[in-house]
Amino acid sequence: DIQMTQSPSSLSASVGDRVTITCRASQSISSYLNWYQQRPGKAPKLLIYTASGLQSGVPSRFSGSGSGTDFTLTISSLQPEDFATYYCQQSYTTPLTFGGGTKVEIK
Amino acid sequence: EVQLVESGGGLVQPGGSLRLSCAASGFTFSSYWMHWVRQAPGKGLLWVSRINSDGSSTIYADSVKGRFTISRDNAKNTLSLQMNSLRAEDTAVYYCARSRSGGYSDFWGQGTLVTVSS
Repeated sequence: DIQMTQSPSSLSASVGDRVTITCRASQSISSYLNWYQQRPGKAPKLLIYTASGLQSGVPSRFSGSGSGTDFTLTISSLQPEDFATYYCQQSYTTPLTFGGGTKVEIK
Repeated sequence: EVQLVESGGGLVQPGGSLRLSCAASGFTFSSYWMHWVRQAPGKGLLWVSRINSDGSSTIYADSVKGRFTISRDNAKNTLSLQMNSLRAEDTAVYYCARSRSGGYSDFWGQGTLVTVSS
């Protein structure tokens, strides 16, 4: 199975900060990397697909980059509604696997 | 509007069975592959199973292989997950999700909680 490692596991940031979350795959997954946001008690929400595709309706402050094994999710200016947990997921091969999550908290 | 609504969760004893359903609306259900993903309390996301659009191809996580069966009824726009020989470690919120061609899930249901406990 492909292991997905996210870092950091948590971070504290202020409104307006630029935030970067990284995700590393245990082997090359080309660009088959997706990012989800999950607020407490809610279902995951797709933000970014295939490394850099912005899902319809998602604010442009979210962006993704990378290919191969190393990927990043960037929030250019953190907003109050962005405090949540973020997960990366590889869809290169089954079993689909997720990173352990990054919890973004208010500083 | 795309909607996915799970049902069927509840409390079940170890070794028992449960059948989850996911009612789909707002899109042509028969055209999409579908996933089940679960999340244990306070834990991360774990992919469980996937089925192709006509139900002829299915695949499972090793942790549920041989115990869980994914299926679909395209005439009723319904996805199902039959769960047998349930274990305490199967306790989780189970989400159904629509799959896109890149393998990602663009819409998710609200989830249904399965608790396996005596």
